[in-house]
Amino acid sequence: KAGVTQTPRYLIKTRGQQVTLSCSPISGHRSVSWYQQTPGQGLQFLFEYFSETQRNKGNFPGRFSGRQFSNSRSEMNVSTLELGDSALYLCASRPHDGDQYSAFFGQGTRLTVV
Amino acid sequence: EDQVTQSPEALRLQEGESSSLNCSYTVSGLRGLFWYRQDPGKGPEFLFTLYSAGEEKEKERLKATLTKKESFLHITAPKPEDSATYLCAVQASDGQNFVFGPGTRLSVLP
Repeated sequence: KAGVTQTPRYLIKTRGQQVTLSCSPISGHRSVSWYQQTPGQGLQFLFEYFSETQRNKGNFPGRFSGRQFSNSRSEMNVSTLELGDSALYLCASRPHDGDQYSAFFGQGTRLTVV
Repeated sequence: EDQVTQSPEALRLQEGESSSLNCSYTVSGLRGLFWYRQDPGKGPEFLFTLYSAGEEKEKERLKATLTKKESFLHITAPKPEDSATYLCAVQASDGQNFVFGPGTRLSVLP
């Protein structure tokens, strides 16, 4: 069974630009969550989607948005990039919403804002 | 507010030297506590889920235990390939997202 796939793996953007990251969950998984990981703040929750609906949102500005498609694939968008948005963005999938199932992570997208 | 702390921040062990990592949590009703291993530049790799106090899980040289306020990850006779950052996360009974701790960076020297 294929794992969680994130594309692209690496990305370099200029301050002020926008970026879209993609996540394909494990087949059959319907819940997709996004996290930002930085050396200073660790892993921080961005948002979670289940059946194309955002179910939970972390404390990030509105520049961070996401969506989920009918095939459970998810995209995350960051507009008006700032230097502080440089981070590893991780996507995790779970089979169900709110269950005690572990989240399985992708390899992440390393975003560098210059 | 749900919180997770981990100690120590970093740990250096000689190969074969057993030790324990600590994860302390404050959560409004625990749905599950999760341990992950993360290698540099990669996504976290799932290790264990613990649901209730007294529960234990084992995998190779790793054993995770859970009490009402903390969890321990015991590493028995570690090898250099066990070097990684170990992350602990909790899921509250009224939420769906995970709250992660800052991690413990483990180095096992040959």
